[in-house]
Amino acid sequence: SQQGEEDPQALSIQEGENATMNCSYKTSINNLQWYRQNSGRGLVHLILIRSNEREKHSGRLRVTLDTSKKSSSLLITASRAADTASYFCAIEIYNQGGKLIFGQGTELSVKP
Amino acid sequence: DVKVTQSSRYLVKRTGEKVFLECVQDMDHENMFWYRQDPGLGLRLIYFSYDVKMKEKGDIPEGYSVSREKKERFSLILESASTNQTSMYLCASSFSDRGTDTQYFGPGTRLTVL
Repeated sequence: SQQGEEDPQALSIQEGENATMNCSYKTSINNLQWYRQNSGRGLVHLILIRSNEREKHSGRLRVTLDTSKKSSSLLITASRAADTASYFCAIEIYNQGGKLIFGQGTELSVKP
Repeated sequence: DVKVTQSSRYLVKRTGEKVFLECVQDMDHENMFWYRQDPGLGLRLIYFSYDVKMKEKGDIPEGYSVSREKKERFSLILESASTNQTSMYLCASSFSDRGTDTQYFGPGTRLTVL
């Protein structure tokens, strides 16, 4: 499967701690994206990193991409209870523009 | 703000019924997608469309069909609903921007087939 695989499947931390989620994939990509899903809702796009980029920041989010290892990580710094959600990585496969393959997600719980 | 709406948040149907799930986006996006989401399986692509009257099969098209008569509307059809189609259905749309497409999702429809 070309699907992104996420690790860990579930993560529980205290408010203020950092949360790190990892994503691995198997094919060449145009870009890798991270999405967030609150319970029972649709997904919301967080950040996109192109295949020629290594690191990207957006507020408390930091994403890294290592195309040689076919892996990415999402770091949420100084987590808050409101960050509790499921986080999905999605890859846009090279030369298949527009179509995304999603991972199974990491369920993050941030305890106050 | 991009808005993607789905016709129902919750739907209960009986086995064998024909089911229509509607999705409408208001940002003139070319691309539209239907996924189903099941615990432990993540999001799986059912069908997608790059333009009006165009459709492409995703990873799990069996038992489903789609219709895109207008650019803003993408319908998912379950010709004869079965219990294994009980799931959360998510619609998404995106603007074609070669290599940087991000998808905007609707709130989802939780379908139960009895």
